[in-house]
Amino acid sequence: DVKVTQSSRYLVKRTGEKVFLECVQDMDHENMFWYRQDPGLGLRLIYFSYDVKMKEKGDIPEGYSVSREKKERFSLILESASTNQTSMYLCASSLGGALSGNTIYFGEGSWLTVV
Amino acid sequence: GQQVMQIPQYQHVQEGEDFTTYCNSSTTLSNIQWYKQRPGGHPVFLIQLVKSGEVKKQKRLTFQFGEAKKNSSLHITATQTTDVGTYFCAGENFGNEKLTFGTGTRLTIIP
Repeated sequence: DVKVTQSSRYLVKRTGEKVFLECVQDMDHENMFWYRQDPGLGLRLIYFSYDVKMKEKGDIPEGYSVSREKKERFSLILESASTNQTSMYLCASSLGGALSGNTIYFGEGSWLTVV
Repeated sequence: GQQVMQIPQYQHVQEGEDFTTYCNSSTTLSNIQWYKQRPGGHPVFLIQLVKSGEVKKQKRLTFQFGEAKKNSSLHITATQTTDVGTYFCAGENFGNEKLTFGTGTRLTIIP
């Protein structure tokens, strides 16, 4: 089975702190994604990556950056955390584009609270 | 940009009743996927629809893709308590490999 592992399930950080959310997938998937999930807003794409060292902005990239130095690892960085970034963050991966029939596999999620 | 809306946002049904959630895109989609998220869990892939007018069934679940490939629906017949969760549609545009998720429909079952 595909496994997408997010290193932290629950985090509490202070406003202004730099926050790293780590994600690792074990199926040699090309694509990796970071979403945030908020009530009534569904899942919104922050950033995605098709390949190592490659990144693309999603729908809400402001206040975030990402890093993909290795194929299996995709990190989300909050340079200076703010209270409106309190949310659940979901990492996901897929073998190739959805057009090729490959599905997206999600991690368990990381609940971030910024105080 | 592309928007994908789902209705209703919440649905409470008596166990055994049917349930339907609708998904509408502002643009024509190359394909649509459906995911289920159990309470406290993460979204899990259910199905993908690609062809115009396509209908697929998984036991009590029926998925449809509209003729214009801009809308989709998920219908559950005779709901059970195991159906509880939030159902998301996710659409992809031609030439763009990222999925845009709908706002989700949260289903609760009254035993």
